[in-house]
Amino acid sequence: GESVGLHLPTLSVQEGDNSIINCAYSNSASDYFIWYKQESGKGPQFIIDIRSNMDKRQGQRVTVLLNKTVKHLSLQIAATQPGDSAVYFCAENAAEGGSNYKLTFGKGTLLTVNP
Amino acid sequence: GAVVSQHPSRVICKSGTSVKIECRSLDFQATTMFWYRQFPKQSLMLMATSNEGSKATYEQGVEKDKFLINHASLTLSTLTVTSAHPEDSSFYICSARRGSGGAQDTQYFGPGTRLTVL
Repeated sequence: GESVGLHLPTLSVQEGDNSIINCAYSNSASDYFIWYKQESGKGPQFIIDIRSNMDKRQGQRVTVLLNKTVKHLSLQIAATQPGDSAVYFCAENAAEGGSNYKLTFGKGTLLTVNP
Repeated sequence: GAVVSQHPSRVICKSGTSVKIECRSLDFQATTMFWYRQFPKQSLMLMATSNEGSKATYEQGVEKDKFLINHASLTLSTLTVTSAHPEDSSFYICSARRGSGGAQDTQYFGPGTRLTVL
């Protein structure tokens, strides 16, 4: 069941501001990273991905930065809108035994956009 | 993006009964699907990897006899929660992997199934 006292990290921003959500990953062998958005009661929705041979990738209003030295990912959302309010998860894709790839999700960050 | 569906979206059952959840990949064939469980305010935790035509691979701590997985076709995987108890109440999410199993394959997620065991 739910762990007592567990809280998601939260980020509250004003509409129109830029948002930065951070994530630390654990496996130095991970070679593919994805950011997902999850709205309440729904499944995760793909936002943007980045391969380990890159350090930056841009999408529409979103940018992902990867720092492999410190095993850190960030998601930047430009001109944040109320519809961006959701929980954001980073996920790392790594293989056990070299071939059995699976995703490991980070803890998540709750983004609240104030109008 | 690709579409993955789950059925039912919500289910309420009595303690001791079994519940089956279906996961369908609607527009691509998926050799591999995954089942996750998510408790409130927590992250997704991988329960098992479902492989078409073979036995599922369960994560450590997940009881294979309690969470039965069947992946009988390239577009359908089912998760059956047997003898459900209130502590099994959770949000169950499936995903289907598109690709041949490489590092950059994309997983597409279903909308989730909310299970409540009374």
